Amino acid sequence: AQSVTQLGSHVSVSEGALVLLRCNYSSSVPPYLFWYVQYPNQGLQLLLKYTTGATLVKGINGFEAEFKKSETSFHLTKPSAHMSDAAEYFCAVKPPGGYQKVTFGTGTKLQVIP
Amino acid sequence: EAGVAQSPRYKIIEKRQSVAFWCNPISGHATLYWYQQILGQGPKLLIQFQNNGVVDDSQLPKDRFSAERLKGVDSTLKIQPAKLEDSAVYLCASSPGSRERWGNQPQHFGDGTRLSIL
Repeated sequence: AQSVTQLGSHVSVSEGALVLLRCNYSSSVPPYLFWYVQYPNQGLQLLLKYTTGATLVKGINGFEAEFKKSETSFHLTKPSAHMSDAAEYFCAVKPPGGYQKVTFGTGTKLQVIP
Repeated sequence: EAGVAQSPRYKIIEKRQSVAFWCNPISGHATLYWYQQILGQGPKLLIQFQNNGVVDDSQLPKDRFSAERLKGVDSTLKIQPAKLEDSAVYLCASSPGSRERWGNQPQHFGDGTRLSIL
């Protein structure tokens, strides 16, 4: 079985400050990992994904995440928050291969304070 | 490329009534997913189709929910009869999903249908 834990349902940062959204996963095999963003009244949009290879993954809008197998973590960061980053962020895990299901975390709502 | 289309965007019904949602995935995408997203929670997979066959419907409440994907393209999700706890956003997603390149492909989501049960 697989699971995802996102620490902090709400995170507030000042504009220009570092954004750090935490994600820890549990999986019996090395998984694929994803971060999605959801703006109000919209569907989820892929920010970045880790499948294999380089553990530091760069995504859209200046976000990046690092896969740390020893810590079973895949935290999302951005050096400088922008007002447009205010949204809800979901971490997701998926076993590789076959018809495997994606499991989403409960989400972290990011507030950016001007 | 056109995205995943869903309709309606909003639906309000009374409990015990029936409702249907429609999804048109991205052209050529073999895999289609229906998710339920309850307020304050992450999306929960209801059913996953590969072409017009069901891959996973383990979390679909089959006594009231049904879904079909005729001809492996469009899909409909139906609830009959609706309960108060079905109030949620229903998201449709699709991915290319070929067997040879399975697993590392992200899903593309529609904007969802927000269902309110009175």
